[in-house]
Amino acid sequence: DQQVKQNSPSLSVQEGRISILNCDYTNSMFDYFLWYKKYPAEGPTFLISISSIKDKNEDGRFTVFLNKSAKHLSLHIVPSQPGDSAVYFCAASGSSGSARQLTFGSGTQLTVLP
Amino acid sequence: NAGVMQNPRHLVRRRGQEARLRCSPMKGHSHVYWYRQLPEEGLKFMVYLQKENIIDESGMPKERFSAEFPKEGPSILRIQQVVRGDSAAYFCASSPGRNSGSPLHFGNGTRLTVT
Repeated sequence: DQQVKQNSPSLSVQEGRISILNCDYTNSMFDYFLWYKKYPAEGPTFLISISSIKDKNEDGRFTVFLNKSAKHLSLHIVPSQPGDSAVYFCAASGSSGSARQLTFGSGTQLTVLP
Repeated sequence: NAGVMQNPRHLVRRRGQEARLRCSPMKGHSHVYWYRQLPEEGLKFMVYLQKENIIDESGMPKERFSAEFPKEGPSILRIQQVVRGDSAAYFCASSPGRNSGSPLHFGNGTRLTVT
């Protein structure tokens, strides 16, 4: 039972354009959402997060949008750079479980073409 | 660099042997989490520990797997009598506390290969 789904295993965009990565969740108890970026042979690196009391959080080139009614979040990267090429994981946690028990999606491989 | 340190980075074991994976949390962090990533999948939660306590082991297989975080020293994830299906990347993360405002910081993982 996949509670966090990333339906696009891969995405290619041109350098300078916008990258939009999507994530859907099914558990309405999730109240905290995060995006992690992962390079090969490295651990996931925290990118940006959003609490369920907000619908948008921005940090430089990265913006996360949360649509609670649709149980959907997205990560926008603009402008995209070749160094952004990595696997992006969406993750979620809820107050009902261990405070930091994250449920991850299966990841989206982003390739930014020069 | 005071990040989460995991060792070894790569571990090869034959079926039936034991695997020990070590994790030292970031300085000042007293909470440790172990996750497993199977090929082509996302990370799956295994266990959450504080010093000398297992807080949540709901993601840990009931047999052959155990974890500890002693008062002194790193956290250890132990897999007894390994099987091929245990081949995966095992990631450790740490946080300073239960506050959901602090994201988890992950180590670079241990890649276990069972032959």
